[in-house]
Amino acid sequence: DAKTTQPPSMDCAEGRAANLPCNHSTISGNEYVYWYRQIHSQGPQYIIHGLKNNETNEMASLIITEDRKSSTLILPHATLRDTAVYYCIVRDYGGSQGNLIFGKGTKLSVKP
Amino acid sequence: DTGVSQNPRHKITKRGQNVTFRCDPISEHNRLYWYRQTLGQGPEFLTYFQNEAQLEKSRLLSDRFSAERPKGSFSTLEIQRTEQGDSAMYLCASSPTETQYFGPGTRLLVL
Repeated sequence: DAKTTQPPSMDCAEGRAANLPCNHSTISGNEYVYWYRQIHSQGPQYIIHGLKNNETNEMASLIITEDRKSSTLILPHATLRDTAVYYCIVRDYGGSQGNLIFGKGTKLSVKP
Repeated sequence: DTGVSQNPRHKITKRGQNVTFRCDPISEHNRLYWYRQTLGQGPEFLTYFQNEAQLEKSRLLSDRFSAERPKGSFSTLEIQRTEQGDSAMYLCASSPTETQYFGPGTRLLVL
């Protein structure tokens, strides 16, 4: 079973920041938080991952709370093309063979 | 395009037929994964290869399913005696170490 909890859906206005929350209260010390998204009928796309420090790349920012029990993915200026299902996944880095366990994710709808 | 490629993109078959899908990973990625995704659900892990060795198989991978990666490059996933419940999107991912990069998937419809 997935070790994360996400809201099933969210709306965001185009041009505004989209903040997608994720709870992972049972995360262990060697588990990373990964975010993927899946645009309709396409394969999942890697966005970002982190352990305990906040991370930023060209797509998004990842904010992880100090206790690591939750995180937020931030899309700073959402566009219509960001409409997708966003998956938050916790995964042991370098331990097991590393298959990803997906939940149902958050369906983000960006509206004009 | 140097991403993961999968062929065919779509496959329609009749129940009882065999089907085979191909995945070409990103060059030099030694890890390769197969997942299955049904409507409204997230992808579910099927099997994992490191180079040519199949190191992990999910309980979802019944005896009718077989996967190979003979030279440690491309991989094939075969489903024998297809059933209507096999209708799904079959996704392949590859990784150099930890982060997995997915292909576009093969959508299978079993009539």
